[in-house]
Amino acid sequence: AQTVTQSQPEMSVQEAETVTLSCTYDTSESDYYLFWYKQPPSRQMILVIRQEAYKQQNATENRFSVNFQKAAKSFSLKISDSQLGDAAMYFCAYKDRSNDMRFGAGTRLTVKP
Amino acid sequence: DGGITQSPKYLFRKEGQNVTLSCEQNLNHDAMYWYRQDPGQGLRLIYYSQIVNDFQKGDIAEGYSVSREKKESFPLTVTSAQKNPTAFYLCASSIEGRGNTEAFFGQGTRLTVV
Repeated sequence: AQTVTQSQPEMSVQEAETVTLSCTYDTSESDYYLFWYKQPPSRQMILVIRQEAYKQQNATENRFSVNFQKAAKSFSLKISDSQLGDAAMYFCAYKDRSNDMRFGAGTRLTVKP
Repeated sequence: DGGITQSPKYLFRKEGQNVTLSCEQNLNHDAMYWYRQDPGQGLRLIYYSQIVNDFQKGDIAEGYSVSREKKESFPLTVTSAQKNPTAFYLCASSIEGRGNTEAFFGQGTRLTVV
């Protein structure tokens, strides 16, 4: 089975600054999908951003952007102009064409005012 | 409103009893999933189903069982064989096939076994 690794259990950022969360994955597939989800204290999973592996262009959603390096199997999330509401657990996820979807262990992001 | 409904939100059971967690979706999604989340941990896949009457084991299927008799429903039974059943359980669904088919999640069920 594919594995997803998030090597940063915790990260901290000052409000209005930029932070990057790391994610690597292991797969032999060439066609797959990658996602970042946010889980606030309510524990509701919220999609932050998505990326299709066949697209070379990095996805961007407002203050959130990714750095997708397919050869390196790396998928990092950059949060610009961090806000207090960004504080949460962030999970990287991999989904293949058989719909098998796996998550990393998560990174807890703290935003300091 | 379209969405995924998990019930109940909190569930208490005595050790040795089987318990079934409900998951219903009205999004017309083909694929459905069950994940387990322990405190401070990530989501671990228990089972997933791509279509009705078909499902695959995830990483931690032992002690759990599922059924997929209807497209809308994917109940999870936590059996007495599951050694540490106390956890937060999340159900999700997605459109099957190509495309940016992200998973949509329910609000979760917190199971406590005493």
